[in-house]
Amino acid sequence: SAVISQKPSRDICQRGTSLTIQCQVDSQVTMMFWYRQQPGQSLTLIATANQGSEATYESGFVIDKFPISRPNLTFSTLTVSNMSPEDSSIYLCSAATGSHQPQHFGDGTRLSIL
Amino acid sequence: KQEVTQIPAALSVPEGENLVLNCSFTDSAIYNLQWFRQDPGKGLTSLLLIQSSQREQTSGRLNASLDKSSGRSTLYIAASQPGDSATYLCAVAQSGTYKYIFGTGTRLKVLA
Repeated sequence: SAVISQKPSRDICQRGTSLTIQCQVDSQVTMMFWYRQQPGQSLTLIATANQGSEATYESGFVIDKFPISRPNLTFSTLTVSNMSPEDSSIYLCSAATGSHQPQHFGDGTRLSIL
Repeated sequence: KQEVTQIPAALSVPEGENLVLNCSFTDSAIYNLQWFRQDPGKGLTSLLLIQSSQREQTSGRLNASLDKSSGRSTLYIAASQPGDSATYLCAVAQSGTYKYIFGTGTRLKVLA
């Protein structure tokens, strides 16, 4: 199964700043996704990261706030822009080799906004 | 809109017990269902994946079943151990989109 590494593992940021989270997969994958897990909650899908094209965002998430890149089949980034305390969450990257294959997750990035 | 619910929300059992975690979903048009565990401060670990055409999957002490028509899945854990303590999440992949909708989770504590 794919091994997924996320960086940074945690960060504390100031209000109004931006942070870019990196997700690296150890093998080529078809699908990559970004999720948010707010404190005490389950996971909510932010967007599907599409290789070589714009990400597909879920309702309630917009590109200006959460720009995503996916330059190749093993790497993606999520930027959390103009952060506020409400953005304090765990952000997780996942990947799958195909539509009928299991999704595998990184350890997540724990983000706190002061 | 797909909704995924897990019951119970929390469960505490003595070591050695067999237990069942439940997952229900409102839209049966799914590709597959996946069970995960999440340890505190960690990401998700994939446990079992059941395709929509399958009825169950087994891995060691874990057995997951799927009844797509009734919108239900169960995760059976045999001979529970303290190391099984974690939050268990189910997620369904929507037909046509491959996107995962996650359940609300069950926090399991196995007492030594």
